[in-house]
Amino acid sequence: GAGVSQSPSNKVTEKGKDVELRCDPISGHTALYWYRQSLGQGLEFLIYFQGNSAPDKSGLPSDRFSAERTGGSVSTLTIQRTQQEDSAVYLCASSLAGGEYEQYFGPGTRLTVT
Amino acid sequence: AQSVTQLDSHVSVSEGTPVLLRCNYSSSYSPSLFWYVQHPNKGLQLLLKYTSAATLVKGINGFEAEFKKSETSFHLTKPSAHMSDAAEYFCVVSGPAGGTSYGKLTFGQGTILTVHP
Repeated sequence: GAGVSQSPSNKVTEKGKDVELRCDPISGHTALYWYRQSLGQGLEFLIYFQGNSAPDKSGLPSDRFSAERTGGSVSTLTIQRTQQEDSAVYLCASSLAGGEYEQYFGPGTRLTVT
Repeated sequence: AQSVTQLDSHVSVSEGTPVLLRCNYSSSYSPSLFWYVQHPNKGLQLLLKYTSAATLVKGINGFEAEFKKSETSFHLTKPSAHMSDAAEYFCVVSGPAGGTSYGKLTFGQGTILTVHP
């Protein structure tokens, strides 16, 4: 079946602009995660959605970052007023439920802020 | 808080020789531990996971890892390396069941495995 998909695969934006990154999880998966992979920081957790519960936003690096998940399926990560340090690969993962269920990762969106 | 430390940033082996990728964890509870692999320009894939059942965990592609509580280690091994094993490997810990970080993965810095013919 289809895996986790993310769009766009690559995004180049100018400093100060807003960007939206999209994640389509595996159908039926109730948990959805966003991570960031950058050269300096490695792989970092950003935000976690589980069913209809309030999301865990504890990993978001600043208030310029936000995410929503509509209808328990598609998620959008928004970065406002992008900075050069936001350049990274943004990874989305989904799992059947939260906790120790296997997380299936998408191919990522490579964001470059010039 | 939980964390993992991968002791080698790069490991180089010859095809057909054993692979050892080292990982130590720090946790105040009984952790769930994972190894993920990332091939170039590919997504992360789960190799294996430990969740307090058997301490020796077998994964895909002939990899296995042993949970050693006394050493706080979770090293990844494979008896015989194949060229297709060349990739970056991540040791990962998840927060405890019932805790606020349950399911949130904390990644090590990664180990790049090179396999020479």
